[in-house]
Amino acid sequence: AQKVTQAQTEISVVEKEDVTLDCVYETRDTTYYLFWYKQPPSGELVFLIRRNSFDEQNEISGRYSWNFQKSTSSFNFTITASQVVDSAVYFCALSASTQGGSEKLVFGKGTKLTVNP
Amino acid sequence: AAGVIQSPRHLIKEKRETATLKCYPIPRHDTVYWYQQGPGQDPQFLISFYEKMQSDKGSIPDRFSAQQFSDYHSELNMSSLELGDSALYFCASSLGAYNEQFFGPGTRLTVL
Repeated sequence: AQKVTQAQTEISVVEKEDVTLDCVYETRDTTYYLFWYKQPPSGELVFLIRRNSFDEQNEISGRYSWNFQKSTSSFNFTITASQVVDSAVYFCALSASTQGGSEKLVFGKGTKLTVNP
Repeated sequence: AAGVIQSPRHLIKEKRETATLKCYPIPRHDTVYWYQQGPGQDPQFLISFYEKMQSDKGSIPDRFSAQQFSDYHSELNMSSLELGDSALYFCASSLGAYNEQFFGPGTRLTVL
């Protein structure tokens, strides 16, 4: 069965520090997608990135960067020069094929990031 | 761009009452997913529909039922509500069953 592990339950940093959120996954699917979502206190799920299992290139988007390593089944997320507005719960998720022929998302337990001024 | 619409955004019910949550997918999207997120928990898959047919079920209680209508909107019906049903309920839609899911803002259900 598919599984996503986010070992860090809570992280607290001071503004302008860099922070890395870890994500390790398990799947038997040969093709899958990995995601990161941000959930601020208001509750909505904000999409950050979707990465195909065949694309191991690292990606950078502004202060955000992602490191995908298939060999270690990891998809880590780094925020550079963190800001108070980055404070949120971050979820890593994995697409999982279902018996019914569709695809669901399996989420990790989330990492609560607090950025202090 | 149009997004997934969920209504109501907030709902307060008493134990043993019923609730209906509605989801309007992005235009032309034919696949709808429902997820439940309890307090301090991660979102859990409940059920999905593709072209108005149920495509898969997750950990959805028997007290819950859902359907997708001819205009592709979906409704999640919850009966005999329990305190433990208090959660954020997300709907997501996609174009086809294997494409990116776009999440709605969620409905926050509180059962008193």
